[in-house]
Amino acid sequence: DAKTTQPPSMDCAEGRAANLPCNHSTISGNEYVYWYRQIHSQGPQYIIHGLKNNETNEMASLIITEDRKSSTLILPHATLRDTAVYYCIVRENDNTNAGKSTFGDGTTLTVKP
Amino acid sequence: NAGVTQTPKFQVLKTGQSMTLQCAQDMNHEYMSWYRQDPGMGLRLIHYSVGAGITDQGEVPNGYNVSRSTTEDFPLRLLSAAPSQTSVYFCASSSTGGPGDTQYFGPGTRLTVL
Repeated sequence: DAKTTQPPSMDCAEGRAANLPCNHSTISGNEYVYWYRQIHSQGPQYIIHGLKNNETNEMASLIITEDRKSSTLILPHATLRDTAVYYCIVRENDNTNAGKSTFGDGTTLTVKP
Repeated sequence: NAGVTQTPKFQVLKTGQSMTLQCAQDMNHEYMSWYRQDPGMGLRLIHYSVGAGITDQGEVPNGYNVSRSTTEDFPLRLLSAAPSQTSVYFCASSSTGGPGDTQYFGPGTRLTVL
């Protein structure tokens, strides 16, 4: 799996958009970008994933650059409950790699009132 | 659905003791994994399974054994606990390897080895 690079920490004001960057310059053509978050030592929670197109769901949006070497997770209106460690993961989406996610150290997002 | 459940939630062991961390899922998922998370760090893969009867090693398998006799259960055994195994252990499951596959994580077991 390709390695990812994320800033160790970020702050965001409550109600504003939180933009979390991830660099994955060695990503290969069949690797997907996944985002998970971990709130206060709970088990990680899936947020969103994508291959090359931008994606949006009820939790967040994922913007992937055209060369796929980086991506940004956007929480459109951050709340205090979004304070968590956010992990960006890249892996192939096939049977041999299912269940094998490589987690880095993530970005600690602190949402402030 | 209960999702992914783990027992116990907390455990204290003495060096050299053995124990089994339990993990169960009720989503009929084929893929199950064990991770450990040391303070301030990300999760590291210990062992994983792609189906009943099939297991393989992850990044940090030494000191741990697994077996997968049923789809639902994936226990992790510590053979002879060491202080270096003090960590939080997470079990995860996922349905398939295809697009849209996501992992569901349990609440974790916090293990301290004295």
